[in-house]
Amino acid sequence: DTEVTQTPKHLVMGMTNKKSLKCEQHMGHRAMYWYKQKAKKPPELMFVYSYEKLSINESVPSRFSPECPNSSLLNLHLHALQPEDSALYLCASSPRTGGDTEAFFGQGTRLTVV
Amino acid sequence: GEDVEQSLFLSVREGDSSVINCTYTDSSSTYLYWYKQEPGAGLQLLTYIFSNMDMKQDQRLTVLLNKKDKHLSLRIADTQTGDSAIYFCAEQAGDSGYSTLTFGKGTMLLVSP
Repeated sequence: DTEVTQTPKHLVMGMTNKKSLKCEQHMGHRAMYWYKQKAKKPPELMFVYSYEKLSINESVPSRFSPECPNSSLLNLHLHALQPEDSALYLCASSPRTGGDTEAFFGQGTRLTVV
Repeated sequence: GEDVEQSLFLSVREGDSSVINCTYTDSSSTYLYWYKQEPGAGLQLLTYIFSNMDMKQDQRLTVLLNKKDKHLSLRIADTQTGDSAIYFCAEQAGDSGYSTLTFGKGTMLLVSP
């Protein structure tokens, strides 16, 4: 299994809703990442988890709340989002936290905030 | 942050070779990557090169690295219509110790029959 699986594939939510994005990998990777990609733009890093602990938060607003319940799962909890938060949210994982290791990406969740 | 630059668009005919270029700025990058993104999809890792190499070949893909000029290129031989996509080069973000990637803006490759 060399996949990073993200659910749901598409999500439409109102500005007062609470929803969660899920990411799962069974490759034994110990680092997991959330990226945000706006239309026609490159992905931008949001969060990094290393050994289930939050290691990097790229000044992301608190309406985005990451969680890593175990080494295979990564969640992104969403609350009180704005329409400008509509984007493709990509999860990635890498075997370890050294710099010399490739990242594998999921297919993303396309989020629309109305 | 460091900027990774790519040309935005490339159009080729099926069967031709495609060359996508990228310049990066972080000389401490240990790995440089090429990802492919088809419309509405996630990122597919195509290949990567370690910074002490100057060339890597993998089937139809050839990566060239000029570390002195911080220039990276991806050559796709015998380009097919299925190769039409956006191609991102990416560099490791300094010495953060993680696979945190800084992406270029992406090059849209359009392959016509």
